[in-house]
Amino acid sequence: SQTIHQWPATLVQPVGSPLSLECTVEGTSNPNLYWYRQAAGRGLQLLFYSVGIGQISSEVPQNLSASRPQDRQFILSSKKLLLSDSGFYLCAWGGGSYEQYFGPGTRLTVT
Amino acid sequence: EDKVVQSPLSLVVHEGDTVTLNCSYEVTNFRSLLWYKQEKKAPTFLFMLTSSGIEKKSGRLSSILDKKELFSILNITATQTGDSAVYLCAVEAAYKYIFGTGTRLKVLA
Repeated sequence: SQTIHQWPATLVQPVGSPLSLECTVEGTSNPNLYWYRQAAGRGLQLLFYSVGIGQISSEVPQNLSASRPQDRQFILSSKKLLLSDSGFYLCAWGGGSYEQYFGPGTRLTVT
Repeated sequence: EDKVVQSPLSLVVHEGDTVTLNCSYEVTNFRSLLWYKQEKKAPTFLFMLTSSGIEKKSGRLSSILDKKELFSILNITATQTGDSAVYLCAVEAAYKYIFGTGTRLKVLA
């Protein structure tokens, strides 16, 4: 069966510091991968999605970037965090008429 | 612009009640509609619907899609306190998922 991992589970970072969140999927090949952000009490905002290695589509212009260096690895990065980057970051796999499943998420607090 | 609208925004019921949650959508290149349950953690997958009129059922939860009228409903019968959560609806359109803002359900003992 498929499993999706995210780490770290929680993170507290100062404004202006860099960010790297990693997501890996097991048990499937060539999955569509997604990064979402959920601000406190708000809905899910799609940040990036990828349909293959090196293929990244950005939904919202901001100071975040994503990369997919391997088939089942998806990384979310920032060079300098802003206060507004705080939130619950979720990685997901699926799509293409397959069910979409979420990883456990990373709660990021920017101070 | 693609959009997904859920109603009501919030709902408070008593154990044993039946609830109906609504999701309407306007998207191009519709592929599927998904329902999730979210407590204080990542959303948990409930159903995926692709065809009109075919009910998906899991225990006390069921869902159906109407592609002509562009909406879906999620029914929960004999509600329990453990059903308290935010229920999210999402529509897949051309690799992307558009989420509604969710319905917050609270079930009182």
